[in-house]
Formats: sequence, C-alpha cells, structure tokens
Amino acid sequence: DAKTTQPPSMDCAEGRAANLPCNHSTISGNEYVYWYRQIHSQGPQYIIHGLKNNETNEMASLIITEDRKSSTLILPHATLRDTAVYYCIVRVEDYGGSQGNLIFGKGTKLSVKP
Amino acid sequence: DAGVTQSPTHLIKTRGQQVTLRCSPKSGHDTVSWYQQALGQGPQFIFQYYEEEERQRGNFPDRFSGHQFPNYSSELNVNALLLGDSALYLCASSLALGAGNQPQHFGDGTRLSIL
Repeated sequence: DAKTTQPPSMDCAEGRAANLPCNHSTISGNEYVYWYRQIHSQGPQYIIHGLKNNETNEMASLIITEDRKSSTLILPHATLRDTAVYYCIVRVEDYGGSQGNLIFGKGTKLSVKP
Repeated sequence: DAGVTQSPTHLIKTRGQQVTLRCSPKSGHDTVSWYQQALGQGPQFIFQYYEEEERQRGNFPDRFSGHQFPNYSSELNVNALLLGDSALYLCASSLALGAGNQPQHFGDGTRLSIL
C-alpha cells in the first residue's frame, strides 16, 4: 500500500501558484519523497525528489517539513498544461541491494483553470 | 537524447493468448522496471531487472515474466491472458545503486486490450 495521503482533487487558477500537499507520517530515515505527474494517456513524468532539505528545479519546488511527516509541491506559475494527476511517493533508495521501486497511490488530480 | 521507448503502443489480444511487450531504456540507464496501470488507478509495480536478473517482484502471478538483454533493453511476457490483464503497461528506466538516488523515467506505455 502507498505510504502517502493526498487530496483527491484540487483546482488552481492559471498563473497562480499551485500548492499540492502530501502526508507521509510513517516515512523512514532512508526514504526519499518523490513527485511525479501523469498527463492523460502519457507515462508518469518525474518532477522532483528530496530527502530532508527543500529542493528546487526548473519545474517545481519541494518543501519538506522538519519532521519529514509531510511535504508540499509548489508549481510557481501554473499553466493549463500543468493539468494532470500528481503523485507523491516515498521510496527507499536501497532495497536489499537493488533500487527501491515506486508505490503509487491515487494521487491528486490538479485542474488548472483559465 | 532518446527517452524510454516502448513498443507496440497499442495491442489487442484474446483470452488465453500470450503477449510480449518491449522496452528500450533511456540512454545511459541500466535498470528497467515494469508497472501495470488499470483504468483510473495508479501504476502497480510488477518487477525490476538489473544485470539481466530479476531483482524485485511485486504481487503478480508467474504468468508475468520478463527478460533483460545485454544492451539493457527488456521484455515483459504475459501468458494465458485474462480479461483483467487489460491495462496500460509502463516501463521505467534508471541508474542502479552507486550513482546516487536516481529517479525512474517512464515511457508512454503499451495499451493492452483483452477481448
């Protein structure tokens, strides 16, 4: 089962920041927080990941609370093309000598409206 | 720089048949994972291949098997197809351990329909 909890849906106005929350209260010390999104009929797209520090790249920012029990993905200026299902995933780096797999929940369906 | 490519994009089979799906990883990647995504659900992990061996397996029956070739490409085989096997099958590639915490990158999948 997924170790994260996300709201099923959110709306955001075009041009505004989209803040997507995620709870992962049982996260372990060696587990990373990953975010992916999936636009209809496409494969999941990697967005960003982090362990305990906040991270930023060209797509988004990831804010992780100090206790690591929750995080927020921020899309600073949402566009219509950001409409997608966003998945928050906790992933162990090392699973018995191999790379940890991804356990997807149902994600948050983000609708960006004009 | 080519990303993950999967073939075919769509496939229609009947119950009881067998199917083979193919995946070429992103350039420089050596690990391939397969996922099944039913309609309206998140992807579910099937198995992962590294160094031509199955390293991890999710909760899928033995009808699902795979292979990884020396060039890191991979195949997913499903025998005795059931109606419930209708889904989008996704391949993801990544770098193995020892290269930092590396994200998996996905292809756009093969849509398999069972009649």
